[in-house]
Amino acid sequence: GENVEQHPSTLSVQEGDSAVIKCTYSDSASNYFPWYKQELGKRPQLIIDIRSNVGEKKDQRIAVTLNKTAKHFSLHITETQPEDSAVYFCAASMNYGGATNKLIFGTGTLLAVQP
Amino acid sequence: GAVVSQHPSRVICKSGTSVKIECRSLDFQATTMFWYRQFPKQSLMLMATSNEGSKATYEQGVEKDKFLINHASLTLSTLTVTSAHPEDSSFYICSAMGTGGSYGYTFGSGTRLTVV
Repeated sequence: GENVEQHPSTLSVQEGDSAVIKCTYSDSASNYFPWYKQELGKRPQLIIDIRSNVGEKKDQRIAVTLNKTAKHFSLHITETQPEDSAVYFCAASMNYGGATNKLIFGTGTLLAVQP
Repeated sequence: GAVVSQHPSRVICKSGTSVKIECRSLDFQATTMFWYRQFPKQSLMLMATSNEGSKATYEQGVEKDKFLINHASLTLSTLTVTSAHPEDSSFYICSAMGTGGSYGYTFGSGTRLTVV
């Protein structure tokens, strides 16, 4: 089955700096790669996603890049703010929308933005 | 947008008793429901996938007789933790998806289960 690895496990940056979180996946059949932000005790919030037919996607300060050949994807947050502090999870799904579409999560990154 | 209501948000139960967690899709038909468990400072681990009207498919290592999943309607799925033990204490969260991937993965708000 699919396995998703995520690095780093913790990341501390100064306010205004950029943060980058990287994930690798094992199954080349995966075709959907979302990123979630989770605050303590809350549900994961989708912040950006990318499908396998796209190499990069950007939404204001957040961007995601996908390298299908290398089977890795990354989250980039620019101009970080203290409210960006949270745990971030990458995830991968095979056959999105089809019969087998379970979402497998990475191990998570605790991002701390220092004011 | 799509909403999934999950109840209860918190529950404390005695060891050996059973607890039922409900997830309802309020404004769409959830043909598929995913159930996750999250221990403190860990990731969301998929427990099982259920399709409406079918038996759930459990991930390796998850006891299907202990974690009973029912998905009898397109708007309701339940997870029952039977004979709960302290090691079952965790954050349980559901995620619903409509037909053909519609509405994406819509998460419930989670249930904090504490077994004493």
